Formats: sequence, C-alpha cells, structure tokens
Amino acid sequence: QQQVKQSPQSLIVQKGGISIINCAYENTAFDYFPWYQQFPGKGPALLIAIRPDVSEKKEGRFTISFNKSAKQFSLHIMDSQPGDSATYFCAASIGETSGSRLTFGEGTQLTVNP
Amino acid sequence: EAGVAQSPRYKIIEKRQSVAFWCNPISGHATLYWYQQILGQGPKLLIQFQNNGVVDDSQLPKDRFSAERLKGVDSTLKIQPAKLEDSAVYLCASSRTSGGSETQYFGPGTRLLVL
Repeated sequence: QQQVKQSPQSLIVQKGGISIINCAYENTAFDYFPWYQQFPGKGPALLIAIRPDVSEKKEGRFTISFNKSAKQFSLHIMDSQPGDSATYFCAASIGETSGSRLTFGEGTQLTVNP
Repeated sequence: EAGVAQSPRYKIIEKRQSVAFWCNPISGHATLYWYQQILGQGPKLLIQFQNNGVVDDSQLPKDRFSAERLKGVDSTLKIQPAKLEDSAVYLCASSRTSGGSETQYFGPGTRLLVL
C-alpha cells in the first residue's frame, strides 16, 4: 500500500529551537523523498529532498535524516524562526519511474513563537 | 519566470451544480498535475498529464470529475455534479518532465466550497 504517515499533526516551538517532523513509509520501492512547505493561501513549494543512498542531507537550517532499514525519514529545522511557521508535508515517489506519483503525508502545522 | 496560474481563486456553489477550474502551467513544462487537498490533509493526485496525454488518472472519480489538456498547455478540471465532499482546494502543478524525482511547482489553488 502506498502510504506515507506523518507526525506530529501540529508543533509549537520557540524561536531559536529545533523543529522535528517525522515520516514513515511502507512501499520499499520509494526512492525519492521530498519535503514541501506550504504557507496559508499558497501552493506547496519544494523545500529539500533526499534519495536513500545517503543518510542525511543538509541545506542551510534544514536537514533531512533518512533511515532506510526503519523506512523512516525526518525533517529537522535548526534555529527555527517565526517565518518558518507553515505547514510541512513529507512525500515519496519512485524517482526513476516516469509518471510515478508523489504520495504526500497528512502534513504538520508548525508554529514558531517569537 | 511566471509561476503556475490558476483561476478562479475561490468558488462557492450548491451541491449538484457544475464547476470548472483553469490552470496555466509554467512555460515549457510538459507535465501537469491536478491535486485535491481536503482541509487538514496532504494533496492527493487526481490526474497527471504528459503533454496532452493522460499518464495517471487512477484516483480521479470519473463519474463526476473530468479533465482535459488540449494542445498540451492549459488545462481545465470539471466537476459535474458537485457533492458536499468535493469541498477542498484544487491545486495545479507542473514539472519539466514526468520523472518521479522532478520538482513539481504548484499554483496557489482554487478553494471550492460546496453548500
């Protein structure tokens, strides 16, 4: 079954803190794992993505950690800022397959308090 | 570079009425997607086009939903007749090609309320 489970549903952190969002998948054929960020009234936008040949990918304050054996991956936001307040979606697809659809998680609403 | 354009931004209709949404993808993008995003959930793919051909419509409720992408550029998504459970944001996205790791660029969405 092509499912991606995301937790927590909502997260509140203080400015400067670390935000951690977790996702788990079932389909072992998935090999491309992006995170999308969505602000109210806007469409999702790609934030960062990882393939399972690496265990970690970092871009600025955003890091994806990937655990292939556990079929889990997570997004870490270091030094969280009020401007990071948004809904975050993990997703998965079969990267090399033409036409492979993105399967999204349920989303995490992040609030960063000043 | 202009992003994905969608219209209208908001639509309120009564159940059993019909509604249509329009999408203009990023210039040069061969692949176009329509997603349904119900409040509090992640986007769910309804249909994927590669140029003007359908790649995946397995999750499209074909008894009431239809979509077309004439000439491989703009696309329209239609619901006829609408049900209460169709209330959602309808997102259009595009990508250069249909590869599973291609970045998808989303439009702002059309928020539909069915009364």
